[in-house]
Amino acid sequence: DQQVKQNSPSLSVQEGRISILNCDYTNSMFDYFLWYKKYPAEGPTFLISISSIKDKNEDGRFTVFLNKSAKHLSLHIVPSQPGDSAVYFCAARGNTGFQKLVFGTGTRLLVSP
Amino acid sequence: DTEVTQTPKHLVMGMTNKKSLKCEQHMGHRAMYWYKQKAKKPPELMFVYSYEKLSINESVPSRFSPECPNSSLLNLHLHALQPEDSALYLCASSQDLAKGQFSNSPLHFGNGTRLTVT
Repeated sequence: DQQVKQNSPSLSVQEGRISILNCDYTNSMFDYFLWYKKYPAEGPTFLISISSIKDKNEDGRFTVFLNKSAKHLSLHIVPSQPGDSAVYFCAARGNTGFQKLVFGTGTRLLVSP
Repeated sequence: DTEVTQTPKHLVMGMTNKKSLKCEQHMGHRAMYWYKQKAKKPPELMFVYSYEKLSINESVPSRFSPECPNSSLLNLHLHALQPEDSALYLCASSQDLAKGQFSNSPLHFGNGTRLTVT
């Protein structure tokens, strides 16, 4: 049962434009959401997170939006740069005791010059 | 540069070998994790240590044996592995509010050890 879904395996965007990566979840107990970026041969790098008490969190070029009623979150990258080309994983967990981080299957972003 | 350091970066071992993966962090985090990642798949949790004690074992086969010698170090001992165990093994750490209480803090990952079992 895939509790965190990234339905787009890949996304291509031109440099300078907006990249929008989407993520859906099914577990209503999730209340903390994160985005990670992964380059080949490296570990995932933490990008940005959001708690369920918020609907938006911004850090530089990266903004995460959370729609709890739709169980949907998205990552916006503006403006996109070629160095943003990587695989992006969304992840989620609950807050009762230990809740393991559940990862989505990833979206490969390619930003072309 | 990652603040979680893993060695070696690459490891090739036979099915009868014994080897160890090492992980070190100096961020003062008291929760440390081992994950396994196969190609084109998300990371899968294997073990969680909290305050140097094993908190979670995700039904991992006994040929994988974790060890946490101190708050900065995490090892994964490997013995009699199978070719299907070939994967990227990732170590991670995070803050821990108190023993057993995991805060809303992100996991910080190392760059992993690429393991090939022949």
